[in-house]
Amino acid sequence: DTGVSQNPRHKITKRGQNVTFRCDPISEHNRLYWYRQTLGQGPEFLTYFQNEAQLEKSRLLSDRFSAERPKGSFSTLEIQRTEQGDSAMYLCASSPFRDSDYGYTFGSGTRLTVV
Amino acid sequence: DAKTTQPTSMDCAEGRAANLPCNHSTISGNEYVYWYRQIHSQGPQYIIHGLKNNETNEMASLIITEDRKSSTLILPHATLRDTAVYYCIVRAGNTPLVFGKGTRLSVIA
Repeated sequence: DTGVSQNPRHKITKRGQNVTFRCDPISEHNRLYWYRQTLGQGPEFLTYFQNEAQLEKSRLLSDRFSAERPKGSFSTLEIQRTEQGDSAMYLCASSPFRDSDYGYTFGSGTRLTVV
Repeated sequence: DAKTTQPTSMDCAEGRAANLPCNHSTISGNEYVYWYRQIHSQGPQYIIHGLKNNETNEMASLIITEDRKSSTLILPHATLRDTAVYYCIVRAGNTPLVFGKGTRLSVIA
């Protein structure tokens, strides 16, 4: 198993453009989480899925953000009409339903820069 | 709505034990204490968790006070590779992890 994979690793986009990030979780994990992290801060929870169902969305997740997990496998996070404030590291994590033994496994993130 | 309080930063000499404190005075009976760490340019990594008993694994030990209002993560022999931000998280059941700002540990040669 190669762990949680995120693509791309880096993305530079112009303000107003749309961007999409992909996360491939550990195959046997049915939970998948998205977090955002800015410099000097801890990761902020955005949303999570159990299989293909999106169970919770943070108030941080404006209507410009949408996440999907078709068929309960990989997930995508799309940001429409990007703003400079969207510049951050976007982290994906996966876990089994009961994660108490091993916790979450995080990917290395996608760093977004909006210019 | 931070549930934990941690020092902003700490230093530790290489080879010595690193003791990272965490205050969680409002913890509820069903909430666990989790520790994660984040090495520069990587995603967070699970270290250990506990409810009320002390726990030990290959990475660290977790000491929880009897009243459960505070805990200490112990790295017994810190190395330069342990330099990271360490997050103490209080969590009930299977709810998503909520991270604070953590403690930046610098291990010094």
